[in-house]
Amino acid sequence: QKEVEQDPGPLSVPEGAIVSLNCTYSNSAFQYFMWYRQYSRKGPELLMYTYSSGNKEDGRFTAQVDKSSKYISLFIRDSQPSDSATYLCAMSAMVSNFGNEKLTFGTGTRLTIIP
Amino acid sequence: DAGVTQSPTHLIKTRGQQVTLRCSPKSGHDTVSWYQQALGQGPQFIFQYYEEEERQRGNFPDRFSGHQFPNYSSELNVNALLLGDSALYLCASSLDSLANYGYTFGSGTRLTVV
Repeated sequence: QKEVEQDPGPLSVPEGAIVSLNCTYSNSAFQYFMWYRQYSRKGPELLMYTYSSGNKEDGRFTAQVDKSSKYISLFIRDSQPSDSATYLCAMSAMVSNFGNEKLTFGTGTRLTIIP
Repeated sequence: DAGVTQSPTHLIKTRGQQVTLRCSPKSGHDTVSWYQQALGQGPQFIFQYYEEEERQRGNFPDRFSGHQFPNYSSELNVNALLLGDSALYLCASSLDSLANYGYTFGSGTRLTVV
């Protein structure tokens, strides 16, 4: 079983719809939760970052973390064709004696927004 | 402000050959991590370099090795290439003092092994 599970999609929604993307995980040590967006032929770009449980909002994007259920979500409101990309969830454990712990990624969900 | 620069962008190699990929981190960053992203998969952690030493390593064989130079740039070397090594290799840089935040990825090197 993978440490991080993510539905690969593909997911197609009409422009203006609310998009919900999700990941589940099994490692209780994960404390930092991130969402990356990856366009074709590009590297991942950090969208949202959350520490521990709770919600975080940034413009049209909202990230939610439920550590009790080991479940994280990304919501995109008023979706635009430019949001079409692969969305990757990523997680890392609490910092030990390192400054930057490794990231464990989901497989990514391929999202298409239809104009 | 230049981001993470990787070279080359594409590479085709034959099984059994050796390859070297290069990464220049974002200005001001001192830590470099390498990830392998197979087609349709999420990136997998290979290793991380800080102060010219390998600090963390993922579940990759010794055929994968690296180096970090005094200017923080880094190389990833893969020996005895296998068909399964075909993937997008991503370099991510970060600042050690900003724990678990602020990873900047390059656009990657697409390696094809034939």
